[in-house]
Amino acid sequence: QSVLTQPPSVSGAPGQRVTISCTGSSSNIGAGYDVHWYQQLPGTAPKLLIYGNSNRPSGVPDRFSGSKSGTSASLAITGLQAEDEADYYCQSYDSSLSGLYVFGTGTKVTVL
Amino acid sequence: QLQLQESGPGLVKPSETLSLTCTVSGGSISSSSYYWGWIRQPPGKGLEWIGSIYYSGSTYYNPSLKSRVTISVDTSKNQFSLKLSSVTAADTAVYYCARQVEQLGPQNFDYWGQGTLVTVSS
Repeated sequence: QSVLTQPPSVSGAPGQRVTISCTGSSSNIGAGYDVHWYQQLPGTAPKLLIYGNSNRPSGVPDRFSGSKSGTSASLAITGLQAEDEADYYCQSYDSSLSGLYVFGTGTKVTVL
Repeated sequence: QLQLQESGPGLVKPSETLSLTCTVSGGSISSSSYYWGWIRQPPGKGLEWIGSIYYSGSTYYNPSLKSRVTISVDTSKNQFSLKLSSVTAADTAVYYCARQVEQLGPQNFDYWGQGTLVTVSS
């Protein structure tokens, strides 16, 4: 029952581009709060992928990019690779009583 | 390189209190640039933020858990801790500790511990 909704799954062939949406509302993304993205490989802890809507931490390939518009945000992966198969979560701040620092529902990326 | 390590019992009985500690190495928990948080993930499910603490002791808690959660910090040991009372099976999860960037308030989590599975069962 997260306030940030993501598609359960997306898939693509190696080399393709996939996008993951994160849909919020006027109390979180729409209120101007930043969106951050995490990658969780199977059996491991989440890893910060994008912070402040579109910034990549050192070491994250430029194949990963983030954007935000209105009440939604998106993560794009270009040149999809087998190692990108993982769960991806968006995260933001929510000013209602829904949890303050909220995570999205999560998206499983499958490389075909 | 900053490292965070969770420690505590892997099995807790229903109605008892779950207690975990996160030990920070490679950096100071007293830095003014960061909060320190707890996040959990039930098996096969998504991430849920539990709460965060500043080195001064200032805390933020998830409203849905606030009545049962206490997070504290021990700067002398470079540790922070989580207590979750009156646990039920629904509290079974992998519990992660993480560093949260402070920029006009807590923001993203940039370093994470490996996580520890806590099972609630009699």
